[in-house]
Amino acid sequence: DADVTQTPRNRITKTGKRIMLECSQTKGHDRMYWYRQDPGLGLRLIYYSFDVKDINKGEISDGYSVSRQAQAKFSLSLESAIPNQTALYFCATSGGAGELFFGEGSRLTVL
Amino acid sequence: AQKITQTQPGMFVQEKEAVTLDCTYDTSDPSYGLFWYKQPSSGEMIFLIYQGSYDQQNATEGRYSLNFQKARKSANLVISASQLGDSAMYFCAMREPNRDDKIIFGKGTRLHILP
Repeated sequence: DADVTQTPRNRITKTGKRIMLECSQTKGHDRMYWYRQDPGLGLRLIYYSFDVKDINKGEISDGYSVSRQAQAKFSLSLESAIPNQTALYFCATSGGAGELFFGEGSRLTVL
Repeated sequence: AQKITQTQPGMFVQEKEAVTLDCTYDTSDPSYGLFWYKQPSSGEMIFLIYQGSYDQQNATEGRYSLNFQKARKSANLVISASQLGDSAMYFCAMREPNRDDKIIFGKGTRLHILP
């Protein structure tokens, strides 16, 4: 089993719908991150969390919210999805040195 | 202001040649970490190499090395003896632990290795 698991892996939804992307990890790391990847723009940080009570906005948090339900779980929500939120979303964790361990990605399409 | 700059959107290199992928960064903090990741066409993100700002030696991992030039704020990835399997997107990233401690990526370079 993967150390960092994202669900769903693929999702197609309509404008205005609420979407939740879930991430769970078995690495025992405190730090968790959500990134989105768009062609030509690289990975951009949405939110990050250093423990269940510490959640921080990243570079592009508008239109997104997160929940850190436990050390191992970090969910990303789009309250009202819009087409320009169509992207590949990655969850990642890190230990002390900062090396990121990524999930396999969640491809979201908003019609 | 962009913190991580990768100026080469795409590169084509002949198999077995060495490759240098450029990365410059911007920080005023003396403590930081630099990372390179590879993303093959299958989509997963693979950690390649790490360089700490206080490390005296350039980092090396097998065929990967990091040409760290602190004064120039440059952290170029060097791949020796390139292989067809090196064809992928490559991302440079930086962490500033004494600041907000987030990890920020550049826009990436797509490397094509030609047979």
